[in-house]
Amino acid sequence: GAGVSQSPSNKVTEKGKDVELRCDPISGHTALYWYRQSLGQGLEFLIYFQGNSAPDKSGLPSDRFSAERTGGSVSTLTIQRTQQEDSAVYLCASSLALGGTQPQHFGDGTRLSIL
Amino acid sequence: AQSVTQPDIHITVSEGASLELRCNYSYGATPYLFWYVQSPGQGLQLLLKYFSGDTLVQGIKGFEAEFKRSQSSFNLRKPSVHWSDAAEYFCAVAISNFGNEKLTFGTGTRLTIIP
Repeated sequence: GAGVSQSPSNKVTEKGKDVELRCDPISGHTALYWYRQSLGQGLEFLIYFQGNSAPDKSGLPSDRFSAERTGGSVSTLTIQRTQQEDSAVYLCASSLALGGTQPQHFGDGTRLSIL
Repeated sequence: AQSVTQPDIHITVSEGASLELRCNYSYGATPYLFWYVQSPGQGLQLLLKYFSGDTLVQGIKGFEAEFKRSQSSFNLRKPSVHWSDAAEYFCAVAISNFGNEKLTFGTGTRLTIIP
């Protein structure tokens, strides 16, 4: 597609359930990023991928969070045993490559609500 | 660690009036600087970016920003706002060995336009 695509756009689930969020980057973009946007914390960086590799996972808030990317394209962010504090909008972005001259292009996000 | 400060949480301006949104960053060297805009329910759209060179950068939708090293600032300006400019604006900094792995965002400034 023309832009970064995220699914689902909205997800409501019960506390303790696992959720999987999907990001389909712009075709040809090798770098992919996940951010979280919440009222209390603003926009937080979670993780980035160069190809299928995630060199720095320190931004993930807990070990309940994991992410993978396969085939250098689609990425999934998985949250296990969800907690109410996980409620947020999860944004995905992609860029042509790593490097300061490559701006990040964002999807519309997945709004996650934990009951 | 780098940080970004947007001192104005909410700004209201009249349609046709000029606009300036403030952004200050904290970092020892010159970072890569960005302004993004977010409309309700949407992802982030890149307005403009500064990497090096001319300190006055032009962006989309008639926006410009000026990098002032002495003030560690990167303020966003528009000479005449339109009702469609109502949105939330985020200043961001990218710092890393490569330059674009992680964006650190300010807390955002919500812009309201009155007729």
